[in-house]
Amino acid sequence: AQSVTQLGSHVSVSEGALVLLRCNYSSSVPPYLFWYVQYPNQGLQLLLKYTTGATLVKGINGFEAEFKKSETSFHLTKPSAHMSDAAEYFCAVTGGSQGNLIFGKGTKLSVKP
Amino acid sequence: DVKVTQSSRYLVKRTGEKVFLECVQDMDHENMFWYRQDPGLGLRLIYFSYDVKMKEKGDIPEGYSVSREKKERFSLILESASTNQTSMYLCASRKGQGLSYEQYFGPGTRLTVT
Repeated sequence: AQSVTQLGSHVSVSEGALVLLRCNYSSSVPPYLFWYVQYPNQGLQLLLKYTTGATLVKGINGFEAEFKKSETSFHLTKPSAHMSDAAEYFCAVTGGSQGNLIFGKGTKLSVKP
Repeated sequence: DVKVTQSSRYLVKRTGEKVFLECVQDMDHENMFWYRQDPGLGLRLIYFSYDVKMKEKGDIPEGYSVSREKKERFSLILESASTNQTSMYLCASRKGQGLSYEQYFGPGTRLTVT
């Protein structure tokens, strides 16, 4: 069965520092992987997704993620954090008979001035 | 832009009440989903629907039911609300069965059961 593990429920970085949010997945089939962001009191918004092809995926707001099959990882990065990046981030993998999403437990990102 | 709207942002209900949460999408998507979100647990799938009048149980369907009479509308029903159903409820929609298609989320309904 598919599953997702996000390492670190809380991550704190300084403004301008590198953002690295970790995601490892388990899947018995080639995975489709997603990163979503949730700002306070809002729904989830898609940041980026990996389906097939290029393993480095660029998303919105300067984020990118690299699919590494050998490490079963899909870590999210941003070179320089901005205060507006403070939010909760969810990694997800497609699973289930209808291709439903299996979500990780989320990582809350704080950005210090 | 895909729009998924939910009938209420905040809702307070009493134990034992019947509660309806409504979700509407405007992009003719076939699939619709209901999740609940709790701190430290992420999102858990309650029910989903891949067509009108069709429904499938997700991971935590107990205490919930759903209705999809029209393609654009997916309702979550709490037959007899209990305090352990206090949570954030998120609706989502997706075009078709394609595994690469993303889900689009509504803003959520924060339900408190007292």
